[in-house]
Amino acid sequence: KQEVTQIPAALSVPEGENLVLNCSFTDSAIYNLQWFRQDPGKGLTSLLLIQSSQREQTSGRLNASLDKSSGRSTLYIAASQPGDSATYLCAVRRQGAQKLVFGQGTRLTINP
Amino acid sequence: DTAVSQTPKYLVTQMGNDKSIKCEQNLGHDTMYWYKQDSKKFLKIMFSYNNKELIINETVPNRFSPKSPDKAHLNLHINSLELGDSAVYFCASSQGHRDEQYFGPGTRLTVT
Repeated sequence: KQEVTQIPAALSVPEGENLVLNCSFTDSAIYNLQWFRQDPGKGLTSLLLIQSSQREQTSGRLNASLDKSSGRSTLYIAASQPGDSATYLCAVRRQGAQKLVFGQGTRLTINP
Repeated sequence: DTAVSQTPKYLVTQMGNDKSIKCEQNLGHDTMYWYKQDSKKFLKIMFSYNNKELIINETVPNRFSPKSPDKAHLNLHINSLELGDSAVYFCASSQGHRDEQYFGPGTRLTVT
């Protein structure tokens, strides 16, 4: 059974800092991994999708890496801004499975 | 121009009532999902449909019945509502099960 863990549960940093969010999963036989952002009272916004054959994906100030063998992914946010404040969720699709398994998220607060 | 929309956004009802939540996507996707996010913000899949066919049916009470009249719509009907059904329900869609999932804004259901 695939389990996804995100640490820390909450993170607060000053504006302008670079930061890393962590995601770990128990079954390394994954098909892909997706990072989402959720704003309070809103739905999820897809940020990055990494296929199992990829090591990283970049979109603007965001960079996601994937290390299947160690069961880890990181989301790197450069030059953080108050608008980056949100909950960040990672989700994993196991090979042969048809569903995403989500972590519980990291609540990020960027202080002006 | 909303990609995945849900109605209603908020739903407050009493125990024992029957209610429905509607979802529509205009992305041309062939796969749609229902997720439940509980009070601890943990997101779990409930159902998935591919081309109007039920693909995923997690351990969900029989009181929950999804219906997909066409590929662009996936509705969720809940009978005999219970207090524990209070949660935010998210609809999502993708092209096949392997591609990036796009989420709706969520329906906050409160059962009193």
